[in-house]
Amino acid sequence: QQQVKQSPQSLIVQKGGISIINCAYENTAFDYFPWYQQFPGKGPALLIAIRPDVSEKKEGRFTISFNKSAKQFSLHIMDSQPGDSATYFCAANMEYGNKLVFGAGTILRVKS
Amino acid sequence: GAVVSQHPSRVICKSGTSVKIECRSLDFQATTMFWYRQFPKQSLMLMATSNEGSKATYEQGVEKDKFLINHASLTLSTLTVTSAHPEDSSFYICSARDRLSSGNTIYFGEGSWLTVV
Repeated sequence: QQQVKQSPQSLIVQKGGISIINCAYENTAFDYFPWYQQFPGKGPALLIAIRPDVSEKKEGRFTISFNKSAKQFSLHIMDSQPGDSATYFCAANMEYGNKLVFGAGTILRVKS
Repeated sequence: GAVVSQHPSRVICKSGTSVKIECRSLDFQATTMFWYRQFPKQSLMLMATSNEGSKATYEQGVEKDKFLINHASLTLSTLTVTSAHPEDSSFYICSARDRLSSGNTIYFGEGSWLTVV
């Protein structure tokens, strides 16, 4: 019930391409779904987050698509750049709840 | 955006000694802070949830007597690794929840590398 499954484990994308990372959750009580970006040796930084009352949220080149019925959400990075190369984690928890449940992470490499 | 500061960013200690890591919320009050441990190329593993003014809640398998957590104020939580051993070497990350935010935003610190020799 607490799992968040993330795929793929790693991803290589050409510069200018679209990077897509997928996550699926089990606990229907989750209602907050953030994505974090982590560079080597640094803490995770909040990238974008969505709540289940919307199906899509866009901030610059980053878009979250959310499918409540399928219990899935994904991160799309448009016009991917080498500087986007990092590890991305999806997460989920309940609003005003405490624990964030993290996916396993996706190592993204954008080739120039 | 909100900032969470960790100190030290890197620490090396001798086996058997204790080391303290601080986590501060710089521009917001955090009633709840979280401590994670991360091994290379792995996800974050929640160790404990720290609530201001009360005892921390530890995750299953985390030794509370080894990883002492104190959350004495709304802006400071500390993690003390007692009697450290080489297997405790890891990347420790704290996060904090902004109690006044309307949502559920949780901010992470930059992490602290602990090496036990």
